Amino acid sequence: QKEVEQNSGPLSVPEGAIASLNCTYSDRVSQSFFWYRQYSGKSPELIMSIYSNGDKEDGRFTAQLNKASQYVSLLIRDSQPSDSATYLCAVRINAGGTSYGKLTFGQGTILTVHP
Amino acid sequence: EPEVTQTPSHQVTQMGQEVILRCVPISNHLYFYWYRQILGQKVEFLVSFYNNEISEKSEIFDDQFSVERPDGSNFTLKIRSTKLEDSAMYFCASSDGGGSDTQYFGPGTRLTVL
Repeated sequence: QKEVEQNSGPLSVPEGAIASLNCTYSDRVSQSFFWYRQYSGKSPELIMSIYSNGDKEDGRFTAQLNKASQYVSLLIRDSQPSDSATYLCAVRINAGGTSYGKLTFGQGTILTVHP
Repeated sequence: EPEVTQTPSHQVTQMGQEVILRCVPISNHLYFYWYRQILGQKVEFLVSFYNNEISEKSEIFDDQFSVERPDGSNFTLKIRSTKLEDSAMYFCASSDGGGSDTQYFGPGTRLTVL
């Protein structure tokens, strides 16, 4: 079964530290990878997308993709209490080279940043 | 900034009743999706919709579910005869299908079936 796996945590880090969130996926044809943040009772909010092997940086966030290892991660630098949320990894298979298609989500990692 | 909107924010219904959840996707987007999230569980794909037809559906999306784009702006999910296990957050999402395949989510509708 095609799955996306995340460590559910909770992951607790002190304010100002680096939070590292990990995700593995089982389907080798997966092509698009997304990190969403979800506050309790709210909808998923896009943080970053990544499509190619390597690192992609956006402000305090860095996504890392390793397709050979089927692994994608998110680093949050200078973590703030407002970063406390559930972080969802989502994967899309680009069937037939299309630019649409369902997202398969992991169960999410709960991050707590304490002052 | 354009956003996906959903109504109502919370729907309470009796088991066996029909409900319609409404969504207004981002205006220039072409692909529309419904997901659901049962409390404490992962976000699950239900259905995708493009060019006025379903492009993909999950095994959750059985004959009790239907989707429609009744006009140029709304996208609806109908559950014909609700069950207790349909209680969940239902999220609508849309993507433009052009250079970006990013899906943007609406705020969700919390459905409670009694």
